[in-house]
Amino acid sequence: ILNVEQSPQSLHVQEGDSTNFTCSFPSSNFYALHWYRWETAKSPEALFVMTLNGDEKKKGRISATLNTKEGYSYLYIKGSQPEDSATYLCAFRGQTGANNLFFGTGTRLTVIP
Amino acid sequence: NAGVMQNPRHLVRRRGQEARLRCSPMKGHSHVYWYRQLPEEGLKFMVYLQKENIIDESGMPKERFSAEFPKEGPSILRIQQVVRGDSAAYFCASSELFGKLFFGSGTQLSVL
Repeated sequence: ILNVEQSPQSLHVQEGDSTNFTCSFPSSNFYALHWYRWETAKSPEALFVMTLNGDEKKKGRISATLNTKEGYSYLYIKGSQPEDSATYLCAFRGQTGANNLFFGTGTRLTVIP
Repeated sequence: NAGVMQNPRHLVRRRGQEARLRCSPMKGHSHVYWYRQLPEEGLKFMVYLQKENIIDESGMPKERFSAEFPKEGPSILRIQQVVRGDSAAYFCASSELFGKLFFGSGTQLSVL
């Protein structure tokens, strides 16, 4: 079982504010880093899968960056909207062993109208 | 919609009974993952399976828990002699090899 850490644990922002959160993961034997959004009463849905150091992905107002050498990824949300309220999970997949996918505990975002 | 199907959505068992949770992966996916979510916690890995093979079961308790993904039919997570501490939401996800995960709606297990 690998250690994937996310911070902060929870976050409240005003509508229109931009925000970001962090995912830390082992920097050795990296294969991929995933980001998922998990809305209340729904199932997690994939946002991004990132595999290369320096990768940047964007989907609407949400973007993510990846640094595999130092073992972190940032998720950014520009101009937060109430519908962005959700828990954001990152997950790490390594190269060795079973190539399993291990999740962090998530950052719970609440956007206040 | 050929998404990941989990059933039942809710399962109530008394202590000592068996719980069977089913997961039918998305069409074309041969990899299945099971995760457990305890209250106020994230997704804890339990087991990773490919058709007819257990790839990694390091997150699954050694006793009472077992999982299978047969050649035909859904993946089954089986919990024998359930205890109150087994109460949780159990999520299944499927993927192509090393791809992103598609999640089912989860099974909420309540042990009385």
